[in-house]
Amino acid sequence: QKEVEQDPGPLSVPEGAIVSLNCTYSNSAFQYFMWYRQYSRKGPELLMYTYSSGNKEDGRFTAQVDKSSKYISLFIRDSQPSDSATYLCAMIRDDKIIFGKGTRLHILP
Amino acid sequence: EPEVTQTPSHQVTQMGQEVILRCVPISNHLYFYWYRQILGQKVEFLVSFYNNEISEKSEIFDDQFSVERPDGSNFTLKIRSTKLEDSAMYFCASTAGTDTQYFGPGTRLTVL
Repeated sequence: QKEVEQDPGPLSVPEGAIVSLNCTYSNSAFQYFMWYRQYSRKGPELLMYTYSSGNKEDGRFTAQVDKSSKYISLFIRDSQPSDSATYLCAMIRDDKIIFGKGTRLHILP
Repeated sequence: EPEVTQTPSHQVTQMGQEVILRCVPISNHLYFYWYRQILGQKVEFLVSFYNNEISEKSEIFDDQFSVERPDGSNFTLKIRSTKLEDSAMYFCASTAGTDTQYFGPGTRLTVL
């Protein structure tokens, strides 16, 4: 079983819809959970960062962590065409980031 | 806002040649990292560096790879004898401590 599993998509949703992106993980040693956004041929850009189980909100973005289920989610409200990108979940253990494969998201105008 | 910078943005080289990829981390950061992303695949950890030595490396980071912090601002990744399969985007990242890492824009390495 891979340490971090993420559906690569692509996921296409109409503008204004709520987007739900998810990852599962297998290693209980993961301590920090992040979501990065990556535009084509660019470096990953940090969106959300959380340590504990529960929800964390920042503007249109909400990150959710359920450590008991080893499941994390990112919700995007009022999605915009500029949100079209690849979204990477990532987790830290032993001083290194383990990334999911990324989900390609298309917001249709 | 401070950011991680990387040069060059694109490097083309012949198989067997040495390449050096350069990074300037955020100035007050102490921990430095290299990652790579082969086209269409996920971002993979290569190496972490702290206090002038490697703290962690992956199985990808073999004897062909080395890292150096030659002065107070640069952090470099050297590939001694490039192979076709080294073609990828290489990302540098840095952090001040236990918080998350900030990534540079990447160097696209093409090995012919």
